[in-house]
Amino acid sequence: EVQLVESGGGLVQPGGSLRLSCAASGSTFSNYWMTWVRQAPGKGLEWLANIKQDGSEKYYVDSVKGRFTISRDNAKNSMYLQMNSLRADDTAMYYCAGGEYASGNFDHWGQGILVTVSS
Amino acid sequence: SYELTQPPSVSVSPGQTARITCSGDALPKQYAYWYQQKPGQAPVMMIYKDSERPSGIPERFSGSSSGTAVTLTISGVQAEDEADYYCQSADSSGTSVVFGGGTKLTVL
Repeated sequence: EVQLVESGGGLVQPGGSLRLSCAASGSTFSNYWMTWVRQAPGKGLEWLANIKQDGSEKYYVDSVKGRFTISRDNAKNSMYLQMNSLRADDTAMYYCAGGEYASGNFDHWGQGILVTVSS
Repeated sequence: SYELTQPPSVSVSPGQTARITCSGDALPKQYAYWYQQKPGQAPVMMIYKDSERPSGIPERFSGSSSGTAVTLTISGVQAEDEADYYCQSADSSGTSVVFGGGTKLTVL
């Protein structure tokens, strides 16, 4: 069983940058595909990006391609999301999740971290 | 872009059976997953690979698949099952993950 904890959220101005972290404990982090999912206030879940166990494959939703970068450091049991050129519609709760496949089976979730983009 | 379609809401009385459907063109090729989310909480996976139930998930939750649709069935609905439910799958290539829009289950 892996436990996930997000950090790095907060208030940022439009056009700014933020780096989210997801720290894992309790199990072998390197066994999992890792994923970022967000949820705007009052809205549904939106998949953003995922990264393979060894970091060799990364996939993004079109709306964040070129602005967001997913990465991981298995030695530190951590995953990251570098977010640049932030916009108001990026305001959301951001969750990290882990699973067996790129395509789903997200059986481990963090509690989420809030990102607010506002001037 | 690929989409999964769910009804926005489903209402049932306690003890009845709730069925939430999710449709998508790639579902015959890609597994579907179901997540439950209660207010202020992270999602929890309730069904994986169309019909498998993770350990610790009550037996009243089941999943099925038929063609381009999958269904989450909750038998003997309880008040604690009131939540948002999301189906999740991937496009035909398996590299682009997608969530359905979510279904709010109301227990009357």
